Amino acid sequence: QSALTQPASVSGSPGQSITISCTGTGSDVGLYNYVSWYQQYPGKAPNLVIYDVTKRPSGVSTRFSGSKSGGTASLTISGLQAEDEADYHCNSYAGNSAWVFGGGTKLTVL
Amino acid sequence: QVHLVESGGGVVQPGGSLRLSCAASGFTFSHYGMHWVRQAPGKGLEWVAFIQYDGSNEYYADSVKGRFTVSRDNSENTLYLQMNSLITADTAVYFCAKEAGTAIWDWGQGTLVTVSS
Repeated sequence: QSALTQPASVSGSPGQSITISCTGTGSDVGLYNYVSWYQQYPGKAPNLVIYDVTKRPSGVSTRFSGSKSGGTASLTISGLQAEDEADYHCNSYAGNSAWVFGGGTKLTVL
Repeated sequence: QVHLVESGGGVVQPGGSLRLSCAASGFTFSHYGMHWVRQAPGKGLEWVAFIQYDGSNEYYADSVKGRFTVSRDNSENTLYLQMNSLITADTAVYFCAKEAGTAIWDWGQGTLVTVSS
């Protein structure tokens, strides 16, 4: 149950696109299409923005998209807005009803 | 509308015990598996435990296995986390969360557990 690897921070200007990577292994991200992404504002609970690698819950902006290649998943936010500034966490099913998160990425909108 | 409210957090000495509760409403509690996830100060999220919808099976992160026990009372729509032999590394905000098949979907606001002498 090793944590997934995310960059500690990313940044971008309003209107730009950014991508956050999430690297796992062949036992989690590489094996299952059950990768989720969560947005979290300081002092608040996480909020689901992507599930099953590419799906968006109802109400989540279409500017959020997900993808996966091998053992690395990615979250892309296009048309960056000030309100997107938050922490982002990836999560993957790891088999035997266990789950693993990444270390989280702080997104700064310049 | 899903509503999850954690309680029971506080300050406890190393080696001590604490029981967290999570009151659920707005959905049929007995139909869904439930998770506990924690977040140490300034750190990322860490999955702690999962219990199936009927309480028949429980699963734990290696870091808490043998010390923590997850349980549920479907008649009271309540989830529990019994934490024993607490260590300083267990200091975190503990969230309860509702599963929806292949994702952890809805989250409570969390309760802070501080392990300190």
